[in-house]
Amino acid sequence: NAGVMQNPRHLVRRRGQEARLRCSPMKGHSHVYWYRQLPEEGLKFMVYLQKENIIDESGMPKERFSAEFPKEGPSILRIQQVVRGDSAAYFCASSPTGQGFYEQYFGPGTRLTVT
Amino acid sequence: SQQGEEDPQALSIQEGENATMNCSYKTSINNLQWYRQNSGRGLVHLILIRSNEREKHSGRLRVTLDTSKKSSSLLITASRAADTASYFCATWGGGADGLTFGKGTHLIIQP
Repeated sequence: NAGVMQNPRHLVRRRGQEARLRCSPMKGHSHVYWYRQLPEEGLKFMVYLQKENIIDESGMPKERFSAEFPKEGPSILRIQQVVRGDSAAYFCASSPTGQGFYEQYFGPGTRLTVT
Repeated sequence: SQQGEEDPQALSIQEGENATMNCSYKTSINNLQWYRQNSGRGLVHLILIRSNEREKHSGRLRVTLDTSKKSSSLLITASRAADTASYFCATWGGGADGLTFGKGTHLIIQP
């Protein structure tokens, strides 16, 4: 049973470009979370999605960031017009049930560098 | 702001010794979870303790929870070099949002 998959593992973008980060949850998991980690910091919650629904996006910046989890295919975190401050590691996690009742399973992360 | 704050920020001990890390949080929780992160990797779940539990064991790990003090501790007994990692506590308050993480304790086990 494959774990949570994220790609790409490393992504370099110039300021103003778009970044697309993909996450495939563990088989059987329909709940996906995105977190951002700045250097030497803990993870910060961004968004919680179920298939075709955004359940909570209270941690998402209001502009330039969007997320989706379509019926088919991976969850996508999209950052438009990236700026240097977007440089961070972005982690996706999945769980078999909603919210935080049980542990979350994390992917290896995508390290975004904005030059 | 961070919900959980780990203490100490960094800890270096000899292999075979026990390592204790503490976590304090601010608001009421449904559960508290500990995760490990090796350098440059994703997080691995270690243990989950619910608000109505006081202590939990898993192998060489022992977690305690004191809801009156809003604090938790993680004890790793008989440490090994492979335990070198950052350890994070994360809380869930019962809402629709995700986990709230602290900044972590960086543990170094000296051979």
